[in-house]
Amino acid sequence: EPEVTQTPSHQVTQMGQEVILRCVPISNHLYFYWYRQILGQKVEFLVSFYNNEISEKSEIFDDQFSVERPDGSNFTLKIRSTKLEDSAMYFCASSEVGRVTGNTIYFGEGSWLTVV
Amino acid sequence: DAKTTQPPSMDCAEGRAANLPCNHSTISGNEYVYWYRQIHSQGPQYIIHGLKNNETNEMASLIITEDRKSSTLILPHATLRDTAVYYCIVLNAGNMLTFGGGTRLMVKP
Repeated sequence: EPEVTQTPSHQVTQMGQEVILRCVPISNHLYFYWYRQILGQKVEFLVSFYNNEISEKSEIFDDQFSVERPDGSNFTLKIRSTKLEDSAMYFCASSEVGRVTGNTIYFGEGSWLTVV
Repeated sequence: DAKTTQPPSMDCAEGRAANLPCNHSTISGNEYVYWYRQIHSQGPQYIIHGLKNNETNEMASLIITEDRKSSTLILPHATLRDTAVYYCIVLNAGNMLTFGGGTRLMVKP
């Protein structure tokens, strides 16, 4: 069964450093997403991406975050200057289509980011 | 967005059916009900979704009331590996999943 893959599975970084989290969405999917989950809290939407541009973003997705699809397979989340409160599990997801209910979003296993 | 209400936790005996309820009284006519689960901080796993009719797949069954104001996810023969947090989500037109607190299902031997 096709799946969303994420790397790294765990990263520890110094506060203020830049971090790039990578994702390979399911191959025929066109919509891509990032969510995050701070330990013990709810899964929160960050951003959705389609046709090489951001479709939707939440209040969490401020100027320190950016997303990119650098080639035909990867989808990345960059955090420019990490803060302690960025420590969380980051989930990438993809779907075949977007803005259509009845479409299924599939999640990767997550990248656990620890900022020290 | 249509809000969902789920019990915070439930127990189920191994081998028995687990029936997880969800209220979504403000759901709109074209909004689907989705169920996901999360096993111990792994990525949310899609289970099933439906609009009006009851649905069944290899994982579960989804029963939606005629007025669509509530639904029940049924795991017909729960196993210990089904212990997880189960999320009932009404998918909005923006196609963003909004996760609530979910129901923490504990399957006990």
